[in-house]
Amino acid sequence: NAGVTQTPKFQVLKTGQSMTLQCAQDMNHEYMSWYRQDPGMGLRLIHYSVGAGITDQGEVPNGYNVSRSTTEDFPLRLLSAAPSQTSVYFCASSYSTPHSRGSYEQYFGPGTRLTVT
Amino acid sequence: KNQVEQSPQSLIILEGKNCTLQCNYTVSPFSNLRWYKQDTGRGPVSLTIMTFSENTKSNGRYTATLDADTKQSSLHITASQLSDSASYICVVSGWSGGSYIPTFGRGTSLIVHP
Repeated sequence: NAGVTQTPKFQVLKTGQSMTLQCAQDMNHEYMSWYRQDPGMGLRLIHYSVGAGITDQGEVPNGYNVSRSTTEDFPLRLLSAAPSQTSVYFCASSYSTPHSRGSYEQYFGPGTRLTVT
Repeated sequence: KNQVEQSPQSLIILEGKNCTLQCNYTVSPFSNLRWYKQDTGRGPVSLTIMTFSENTKSNGRYTATLDADTKQSSLHITASQLSDSASYICVVSGWSGGSYIPTFGRGTSLIVHP
């Protein structure tokens, strides 16, 4: 199993450009999520999905869109990049929601380092 | 507002020594608490998961404890190795605004010297 894969590893955008961060998992997990990690701060939840066709907002959703057409893929779209979106982005997956009273393992991808100039 | 505070912010120890990292939280209602290890340039990797009814969980040389009454958790690392050098992140999840949401701590940076 490849686990959780993310592409690209690095990306530089100019303000106003759009792009899609790709995330895929081969573990047949229903729950997938996107986080951003900024220096001196904890990871923050952007969007999450509990299954194909179902998405919801996390703590910091503004400026990001997601969709979940298949179980395997959960892309994150930046429609008009801003310098405030410079960050490291992590995708994660688990069998079911990891934040309820269950003990589902959550697996993170290697991250995408995004710089917006 | 839900908060997770970790201490110390950074820690340097010699190889072979033990250490304990602390996590205090205000998340309520509480559903579970996780500890992750994050190597530089990599994604976090799960070490332990504890629900509200558990007060200790071990994973090899890592032992996590939880006191739900005082809202405190600790991660104890025994016989440290150079490979333990990493950031250790405490994550507390709870019900907020109609869904389960995680609150991440800022992490403790551990450096193990030979």
